[in-house]
Amino acid sequence: AQSVAQPEDQVNVAEGNPLTVKCTYSVSGNPYLFWYVQYPNRGLQFLLKYITGDNLVKGSYGFEAEFNKSQTSFHLKKPSALVSDSALYFCAVRTPPGRDDKIIFGKGTRLHILP
Amino acid sequence: EAQVTQNPRYLITVTGKKLTVTCSQNMNHEYMSWYRQDPGLGLRQIYYSMNVEVTDKGDVPEGYKVSRKEKRNFPLILESPSPNQTSLYFCASRGPDYGYTFGSGTRLTVV
Repeated sequence: AQSVAQPEDQVNVAEGNPLTVKCTYSVSGNPYLFWYVQYPNRGLQFLLKYITGDNLVKGSYGFEAEFNKSQTSFHLKKPSALVSDSALYFCAVRTPPGRDDKIIFGKGTRLHILP
Repeated sequence: EAQVTQNPRYLITVTGKKLTVTCSQNMNHEYMSWYRQDPGLGLRQIYYSMNVEVTDKGDVPEGYKVSRKEKRNFPLILESPSPNQTSLYFCASRGPDYGYTFGSGTRLTVV
């Protein structure tokens, strides 16, 4: 069965430091992987996705993610954190194409950037 | 502007009183979906629709109904709401590039 795990409920990072939000996945076939961000009182916003190609994917707001097939991971990274990056981050994986075609979300990781 | 519009944003209701949360998208997307978000559980899919007149159950469909009579609209119906349906609800549509666009959410409280 397809699944995605975010092992950390919360991550605290000092402003200006690099940040990493972890995600591991389990899926049959080639994975489609996504990161979304949710700011308070807002819906989810798309950050980036990996479908094929370069393992390092660049997205919105200076975020990037590295696809690692051997470790089945898709960690979200940013070289220098901003206070405005504080939000709830969701990793997601697409199920294989078919009638039940959908994406499955992780439980989310709350990112706190400390001034 | 491409968007998914849900209404209302906030709703407090009593147990058993039927309610409908509306969802509309202006991107001509075929696929639409409803999710509920609960602390520690992430987003769980309630129902989805691959196209007009085609709807399927997601992971947590009990107590909910949907309809898809036209491509742009995908209302969520709670025939007899119960307190365990208190949650934050999101509607989303999906484009051909597999990009999802989410509405701003509906915070529902059932007392």
